[in-house]
Amino acid sequence: SAVISQKPSRDICQRGTSLTIQCQVDSQVTMMFWYRQQPGQSLTLIATANQGSEATYESGFVIDKFPISRPNLTFSTLTVSNMSPEDSSIYLCSVRDGPYEQYFGPGTRLTVT
Amino acid sequence: GNSVTQMEGPVTLSEEAFLTINCTYTATGYPSLFWYVQYPGEGLQLLLKATKADDKGSNKGFEATYRKETTSFHLEKGSVQVSDSAVYFCALSDFAGGTSYGKLTFGQGTILTVHP
Repeated sequence: SAVISQKPSRDICQRGTSLTIQCQVDSQVTMMFWYRQQPGQSLTLIATANQGSEATYESGFVIDKFPISRPNLTFSTLTVSNMSPEDSSIYLCSVRDGPYEQYFGPGTRLTVT
Repeated sequence: GNSVTQMEGPVTLSEEAFLTINCTYTATGYPSLFWYVQYPGEGLQLLLKATKADDKGSNKGFEATYRKETTSFHLEKGSVQVSDSAVYFCALSDFAGGTSYGKLTFGQGTILTVHP
């Protein structure tokens, strides 16, 4: 299975600032996904990032708030913009490896004060 | 749209007890079904999967059978260990070649605590 790393692993940020989260995969993958896990909650898909095209956002998530880049087949970034305390969550990237399985990175734990 | 419902938790068991975590789903077509596990402070790990009706996924002593007639995918383990303490998520995925790109829909998660 693909090995996925994320940077940073955690951060504490002030409201109104932005944070860019990096996701690196050890093999080339077509589809990458970004999820949010709010405290004590399940995972919610933010967007799907396909290399070479614009990211596809889920209902309730917009590009201005969560811009995504996907410059190549092994890397993606998610930016959380103009942060508020409600953005405090774990952000996880995942990749589809094969026809069915998705594998997840270790997550980025974000706290906004 | 797709949805996944897990049994309300948390679940607390003694070591060597039998575990069942219920999961039911609503989906159009023929989704693939998954169980993921999240150990404290870690990301999600794929525990097992089933891609068609009557398939049984298994791993590390855990099992789940894809039951289309009852739209269920219950997780079971015959004898739990303290090291199984974690959050367990049931999830489904549409066909990966479709317009949803195989995105996952998760249940709310079930916290399992196993005492010695």
